[in-house]
Amino acid sequence: EAGVTQSPTHLIKTRGQQATLRCSPISGHTSVYWYQQALGLGLQFLLWYDEGEERNRGNFPPRFSGRQFPNYSSELNVNALELEDSALYLCASSFLMGTEQYFGPGTRLTVT
Amino acid sequence: EDQVTQSPEALRLQEGESSSLNCSYTVSGLRGLFWYRQDPGKGPEFLFTLYSAGEEKEKERLKATLTKKESFLHITAPKPEDSATYLCAVQAGKVFNKFYFGSGTKLNVKP
Repeated sequence: EAGVTQSPTHLIKTRGQQATLRCSPISGHTSVYWYQQALGLGLQFLLWYDEGEERNRGNFPPRFSGRQFPNYSSELNVNALELEDSALYLCASSFLMGTEQYFGPGTRLTVT
Repeated sequence: EDQVTQSPEALRLQEGESSSLNCSYTVSGLRGLFWYRQDPGKGPEFLFTLYSAGEEKEKERLKATLTKKESFLHITAPKPEDSATYLCAVQAGKVFNKFYFGSGTKLNVKP
């Protein structure tokens, strides 16, 4: 069974630009979660999508947004990039709300 | 304020030397507690889910337990391949849940 996939693996952007990160969940999973992991720091909850709707978001500014498509894949958009947005962005999926999450390999975003 | 705290931050063990990692939490409306293992530069790997106080789960050399305020991950006779960062996460909330991760315990097992 294929796991959670994310693309691209690495992304280099300039301050002020926009970044789009993509995630495909495990087949049959309807919930998708996004996390930010800055170097040396813990995972910070960003967004949670289920059945195409945003269910909850963490303490991040509105320039972090996303959506979930009918096939349950998801994308994370970060507008007006700042240097401190440089981090590993992890996507996870779960079969039902409240059950264990399975993570993808992450997208390393570097803002210069 | 909802919070998840893991201790110690780092732990060095000799191969075969058993120990425990701690995850304490202060959240409203605990829905579940999860343990993950993360290797450098990779996504976390799911280990266990615990839902209620008194619950225990085991997998090979690892055993997770849960009380009303904390969880322990016991590592029995660890091997060098157990070296990784172990993360604790809590799902909590009255209506729509949020997820909180601890900062992790970096475990180094020396041969």
